[in-house]
Amino acid sequence: EVQLVQSGAEVKKPGESLKISCQASGYTFSNYWIGWVRQMPGKGLEWMGIIYPGDSDSRYSPSFEGRVTISADKSITTAFLQWSSLKASDTAMYYCVRPRDCSATRLSVYCNGFDIWGQGTTVTVSS
Amino acid sequence: DIQLTQSPSFLSASVGDRVTITCRASQGISIYFAWYQQKQGKAPKLLIYAASMLQSGVPSRFTGSGSGTEFTLTISGLQPDDSATYYCQHLSNYPPWTFGQGTTVEI
Repeated sequence: EVQLVQSGAEVKKPGESLKISCQASGYTFSNYWIGWVRQMPGKGLEWMGIIYPGDSDSRYSPSFEGRVTISADKSITTAFLQWSSLKASDTAMYYCVRPRDCSATRLSVYCNGFDIWGQGTTVTVSS
Repeated sequence: DIQLTQSPSFLSASVGDRVTITCRASQGISIYFAWYQQKQGKAPKLLIYAASMLQSGVPSRFTGSGSGTEFTLTISGLQPDDSATYYCQHLSNYPPWTFGQGTTVEI
């Protein structure tokens, strides 16, 4: 069974760093893009970025570039989302996602929807 | 960036009704377009990909159509289990891959 299992809920203070994880199983991790989606409390979905574990090619939404870092470790089939300095506005549910299938050029990536979702990781940032 | 405008934001319908949700793009986009269903407290679920392809396991009462700047999700024969929020998303050209703002369906 293909699945993404995320790390548990986190409670942090502003200014702290954080790294959450998403362990993949049931498929060849290196061969699929994997990404992250944010959902702030009571709000809609926001795509943050993706990474191709095979070569660590990563693409970010301008809204999140410079604020977060997406990485992947092929040896443990795990993707990560990290912050160096959290803000209260980072309080949200974060989902890792795997697209069905994609094609990529140097400039663009084209995918057919996110068919696999992790269970979500709640991050609360409060002083 | 390509903006997606979903309408309506909310709709109330009855069991058996046929409902349509529309997503308009700020510029023409390819068929790398998806629809998701999210129930309260759960992760979203992919319903439609490539604008009109039904994801495996999704009931056939869900259909997607459209191209260019207008895409639609139609639910025919609405069921109580269809109460949820529905999102559109484009996944083409240079990221970012934006989502629509969502449509809440109340039955």
